Amino acid sequence: QSALTQPASVSGSPGQSITISCTGTSSDVGAYKYVSWYQQHPGKAPKLMIYDVSKRPSGVSNRFSGSKSGNTASLTISGLQAEDEADYYCSSYTSSSTRVFGGGTKLTVL
Amino acid sequence: QVQLEQSGAEVKKPGASVKVSCKASGYTFTTYYMHWVRQAPGQGLEWMGIINPSDGSTSYAQKFQGRVTMTRDTSTSTVYMELSSLRSEDTAVYYCARAVSYGAFDIWGQGTMVTVSS
Repeated sequence: QSALTQPASVSGSPGQSITISCTGTSSDVGAYKYVSWYQQHPGKAPKLMIYDVSKRPSGVSNRFSGSKSGNTASLTISGLQAEDEADYYCSSYTSSSTRVFGGGTKLTVL
Repeated sequence: QVQLEQSGAEVKKPGASVKVSCKASGYTFTTYYMHWVRQAPGQGLEWMGIINPSDGSTSYAQKFQGRVTMTRDTSTSTVYMELSSLRSEDTAVYYCARAVSYGAFDIWGQGTMVTVSS
């Protein structure tokens, strides 16, 4: 199972919006609504930000939103804040009943 | 509150085995599947496998088949991950993570650093 494809890095200024893409195949991202997104700050455990493509867990800011089209899922962060600077990972359920992560995207808030 | 508490850091020699524990509290242990995920230094997240705490059934990533064993003890609400035939490439932080939905990990342990070095 190959890792999902994410851009290595994205950047934006405070207040702007950014989108991180996550490209898989018809056996994972394209086949199921089970895509999730995680935020990870250095030295910390990942934190669930979005699950089931577009659902937000309780306590997660509504500045974070998710969507999917075909084999590509996206995470959008609006109104960028300095605290959003972190690594972001997508994950998907697969047709083999396994899970697969993306390679991760480093978000820099300029 | 809901939390997962993992065992402490380990240093192992190549060829040895390591067993990491993950103790759940604040919720009904048998209700949620548990996954193991690892992260090598400076690298991304890698899914290792899943255990159903209710019946102990498991499913492992193909990469780890034959080397990993996940078990659980319902009397202590603890899951375990044992990795054998360790090599330097297994040096990583190992996380347990509770699953809600199919592969959405809502609660994570603090991580256990495993270092494999001669």
